[in-house]
Amino acid sequence: EVQLVQSGAEVKKPGESLRISCKASGYSFTSYWISWVRQMPGKGLEWMGRIDPSDSYTNYSPSFQGHVTISADKSISTAYLLWSSLKASDTAMYYCARHAGYSYSYALDIWGQGTMVTVSS
Amino acid sequence: EIVLTQSPGTLSLSPGERATLSCRASQSLSSSYLAWYQQNLGQAPRLLIYGASSRATGIPDRFSGSGSGTDFTLTISRLEPEDFAVYYCQQYGSSLWTFGQGTKVEIK
Repeated sequence: EVQLVQSGAEVKKPGESLRISCKASGYSFTSYWISWVRQMPGKGLEWMGRIDPSDSYTNYSPSFQGHVTISADKSISTAYLLWSSLKASDTAMYYCARHAGYSYSYALDIWGQGTMVTVSS
Repeated sequence: EIVLTQSPGTLSLSPGERATLSCRASQSLSSSYLAWYQQNLGQAPRLLIYGASSRATGIPDRFSGSGSGTDFTLTISRLEPEDFAVYYCQQYGSSLWTFGQGTKVEIK
């Protein structure tokens, strides 16, 4: 079964660092890009950025550039989303999602279950 | 950056009725790169439509997508109870993806 399994919920304080993960299985990890999507409480979906796991090329939404880092470890088929200094406004659900290939217009066809990040003092 | 505007914000309909959701882009899109997603409460989004009009695997044929240029539509021909959810359009261009703000389809 093709799936993305994300790490569990996190509760952190402002200024702390955090890394959440997204483990892929059931397909060739290096053959499909992975994106991260934010959903703040009660709000819509926001595309944050994506990585090509084959070469770790990344690109980010201007809204998130410099605030987060996306990385991947192809040896363990896992993508990551990192913060060096969290803010209360980072409180949100974060989803990883796989981009289908060219034939599917790079739409997001497989989604992780989401990781809730709560930042509070 | 291309902005997607969805309308209406909320659509109140009864089961069995037809739903028509709109997604308008701030500039012309390649139809190939317009997708629609469904999100039920407390769940991850699910891909419905890609390439503006192609149904994703396992999506019932009551869901259809159409449109080109700046105007795109998602139609649900007859609403089933499980279709009451939030729907998002998404576009891909210049190595950036953006979502619309969503349309909630609620039970009238």
